[in-house]
Amino acid sequence: SQTIHQWPATLVQPVGSPLSLECTVEGTSNPNLYWYRQAAGRGLQLLFYSVGIGQISSEVPQNLSASRPQDRQFILSSKKLLLSDSGFYLCAWSVQGFEAGELFFGEGSRLTVL
Amino acid sequence: GQNIDQPTEMTATEGAIVQINCTYQTSGFNGLFWYQQHAGEAPTFLSYNVLDGLEEKGRFSSFLSRSKGYSYLLLKELQMKDSASYLCAVRDSNYQLIWGAGTKLIIKP
Repeated sequence: SQTIHQWPATLVQPVGSPLSLECTVEGTSNPNLYWYRQAAGRGLQLLFYSVGIGQISSEVPQNLSASRPQDRQFILSSKKLLLSDSGFYLCAWSVQGFEAGELFFGEGSRLTVL
Repeated sequence: GQNIDQPTEMTATEGAIVQINCTYQTSGFNGLFWYQQHAGEAPTFLSYNVLDGLEEKGRFSSFLSRSKGYSYLLLKELQMKDSASYLCAVRDSNYQLIWGAGTKLIIKP
C-alpha cells in the first residue's frame, strides 16, 4: 500500500532563518507531488507541484522554493523565513496523469515564525 | 476569478442528518471532491463527483448539479467523531484543484 510521510510535524523558527520540510512517498512510482499551505479560514493554497524529477511548477510567487531530487522525495525550502510564512504545510501525492483522482496527504507540518 | 463557497460553520445533533452545501464558479469543470479534515490533521478523501447525481458511500452521500454549479455533502446518523471540517474542491479546466475554505461541523450530544 502507498504511504506518504512528511517531517518535521511542528517547528518554531525565527524570522530570517532557513527552512526545510521533507516529504517522501512509498509504494508507488512516478507520482504527482504537491506542496500546499493552509491558513486559518482559507482554502488550501497550492505552492508547488511536480510531475517528475527536477520538474517543479510554482503557483505563487514567494520566498519559498521546492525541489524533487528523487522520484518520491519532495522538499520545501526557504533561505529566509518571513512572519507571513507561518501556517500548516501539507505535502500530497496523486496518480500521474490528467485522469488523476484524489490527493493523498501527509500528516502536515505546522510552522510558526516568530 | 474562480470561487468556491461553503458555509463557515454548522452545528448538528448526534444521530441527526446534516447537509453541507458548496457552490462553485470555476474555469471549466473536471470533477468535485469532498474531504474531511479533523483539527490539526491532514485532509482525507471522502467522495468524488464528475457526473450529475448522487453518490452514496455508507453514511455519507454527495450530490452534484453541474448546471447549477452546486454540490452538497449529506451526513446521516451523525456521530461525535464526525466533528471536523469538510472541504469542497473543484478541478478546473487545467486540472488544478480549487479549494473552498471548509465548513467546520460541530456535533452536539
